[in-house]
Amino acid sequence: AQKVTQAQTEISVVEKEDVTLDCVYETRDTTYYLFWYKQPPSGELVFLIRRNSFDEQNEISGRYSWNFQKSTSSFNFTITASQVVDSAVYFCALLLEDTDKLIFGTGTRLQVFP
Amino acid sequence: NAGVTQTPKFQVLKTGQSMTLQCAQDMNHEYMSWYRQDPGMGLRLIHYSVGAGITDQGEVPNGYNVSRSTTEDFPLRLLSAAPSQTSVYFCASSYFQTSMNTEAFFGQGTRLTVV
Repeated sequence: AQKVTQAQTEISVVEKEDVTLDCVYETRDTTYYLFWYKQPPSGELVFLIRRNSFDEQNEISGRYSWNFQKSTSSFNFTITASQVVDSAVYFCALLLEDTDKLIFGTGTRLQVFP
Repeated sequence: NAGVTQTPKFQVLKTGQSMTLQCAQDMNHEYMSWYRQDPGMGLRLIHYSVGAGITDQGEVPNGYNVSRSTTEDFPLRLLSAAPSQTSVYFCASSYFQTSMNTEAFFGQGTRLTVV
């Protein structure tokens, strides 16, 4: 079965702290794609990153970084020096190569306090 | 370039009423889909379409109908609204998601309340 687990329902941090959002996925497929989306309080879904299963390189984009580890089926997201504007719900999602269906995790609500 | 446009943004229905949520995209994407978002459950796929004239069921299709007569439009119909359909609905579009390094573009969402 294919599944995405975001075990952290809610995380609260103080501004400038680093925070890591966990994502564990399940699939038997060898080719798949992983995504992170951000949903700010305004409600829209904002694409952050897409990673292909054959590319295990970590990625850094400004204060955001992603750690993809196939050995542990994890695709964790770290925000360095968090800011209040990072407050949002973050979703991890899985797409299998032979379907066009995005499977979402339940999301992690991040609250960054000033 | 409008991207994905959903209407309406908010809607209140009485139990048993029917309505159509509209979704339009101007990016010539083949793939379009509808999700519902409920607290603690993430986003769940209702129906999707890989091109005009082709639709298929997702994870939670009961109570919803779709059609895809054009590439641009993918309306979602609630046949007889029930309180369990109270949710936030998102429409998304993309090129075939596995065909290139692409993302799914989401609409702004429709908050539906069934009383």
